[in-house]
Amino acid sequence: DADVTQTPRNRITKTGKRIMLECSQTKGHDRMYWYRQDPGLGLRLIYYSFDVKDINKGEISDGYSVSRQAQAKFSLSLESAIPNQTALYFCATAGQGTPHTQYFGPGTRLTVL
Amino acid sequence: SQQGEEDPQALSIQEGENATMNCSYKTSINNLQWYRQNSGRGLVHLILIRSNEREKHSGRLRVTLDTSKKSSSLLITASRAADTASYFCATDQTGANNLFFGTGTRLTVIP
Repeated sequence: DADVTQTPRNRITKTGKRIMLECSQTKGHDRMYWYRQDPGLGLRLIYYSFDVKDINKGEISDGYSVSRQAQAKFSLSLESAIPNQTALYFCATAGQGTPHTQYFGPGTRLTVL
Repeated sequence: SQQGEEDPQALSIQEGENATMNCSYKTSINNLQWYRQNSGRGLVHLILIRSNEREKHSGRLRVTLDTSKKSSSLLITASRAADTASYFCATDQTGANNLFFGTGTRLTVIP
């Protein structure tokens, strides 16, 4: 079984809808991250969490929120989706301390019409 | 932006040739990592080089790091069609809690 899983893998939605993307991990890592990937822009960090009570904004947090329900689960919400949130979204995990090597989920392809 | 920049953006070579891609960054780092991404899939960690190392090998991969120039290179020797993917550098920057990813090099290996 994959260590980092994401659901759904693909989603098409309409402008204004609320969307939740979920991430689960079995690696026992404390650190979890959400990124979005757009063509030509690499990965940009949306939010990250170092434990259940810790939530931090990344580079592009506007329009997104997150919830760390348990050590193994980290969900990303788009409260009111807009077309420029169409992207590939990745969850990643890392253990404590350096090096901060990250382990990625398979991604969720989100299309907002 | 704290992102690294990679060069070239795209590279196309014949199977069996070597592929070299470069990464430049702007700040002090603890280490630099290289990741691979097959089309539309999650990134996979390939190799890490610490700031006090100059060169590291792993199988057909060779990574160099020049902290004075704030640059790194990834060499893939004897390339195979299966090496076709995008390659990203990521810097673990001093004082930061996250990795900063470059924009990637898209490598195509022609059989």
